[in-house]
Amino acid sequence: KAGVTQTPRYLIKTRGQQVTLSCSPISGHRSVSWYQQTPGQGLQFLFEYFSETQRNKGNFPGRFSGRQFSNSRSEMNVSTLELGDSALYLCASSFPSGGPGANVLTFGAGSRLTVL
Amino acid sequence: GQNIDQPTEMTATEGAIVQINCTYQTSGFNGLFWYQQHAGEAPTFLSYNVLDGLEEKGRFSSFLSRSKGYSYLLLKELQMKDSASYLCAAPDSWGKLQFGAGTQVVVTP
Repeated sequence: KAGVTQTPRYLIKTRGQQVTLSCSPISGHRSVSWYQQTPGQGLQFLFEYFSETQRNKGNFPGRFSGRQFSNSRSEMNVSTLELGDSALYLCASSFPSGGPGANVLTFGAGSRLTVL
Repeated sequence: GQNIDQPTEMTATEGAIVQINCTYQTSGFNGLFWYQQHAGEAPTFLSYNVLDGLEEKGRFSSFLSRSKGYSYLLLKELQMKDSASYLCAAPDSWGKLQFGAGTQVVVTP
């Protein structure tokens, strides 16, 4: 079956702009999580969506937002971009069993954002 | 809160064994995960431990001691393709999977 698909793979923006990233989870997976990965900070949790509702949120400013659609596809948006937002943004989906298996995340290849 | 510590980098030669340690402090325990991430690629799931002891999967094994807040990933018969970052991760009490900074394993000929 198809894996987690993220688009776009690469993008360059300038400070002050906004960006929208898209994620299509594995078919049947209803939970989608977003992470920011930078060399200095590693993988930092942004938020998790399940059945179109934000279920968990990390410690990021309000400029970072997301949503999930009825088909489980998810988008994240970053407004008023800053240089420090340059990172690899990873989306991961999981099967919502509610038990330990719920946390076996399958990651997409990521969207690499460069802010100039 | 969550605190996950692992070494930054380890180097070993082909055919050798490397043990990557991970210590964690969690407000609740719901298992310990290991992921592998090759440069420029997505992290991929390696193992999950929820009970104490050793779980073996081919050349890779993972160990957990809940009382010590300690886990390790053991890579045997190292191959060049094992050069990657290895990420230790644990869910917090809200179910969010929190990752350590990763251990870069460099395999030399």
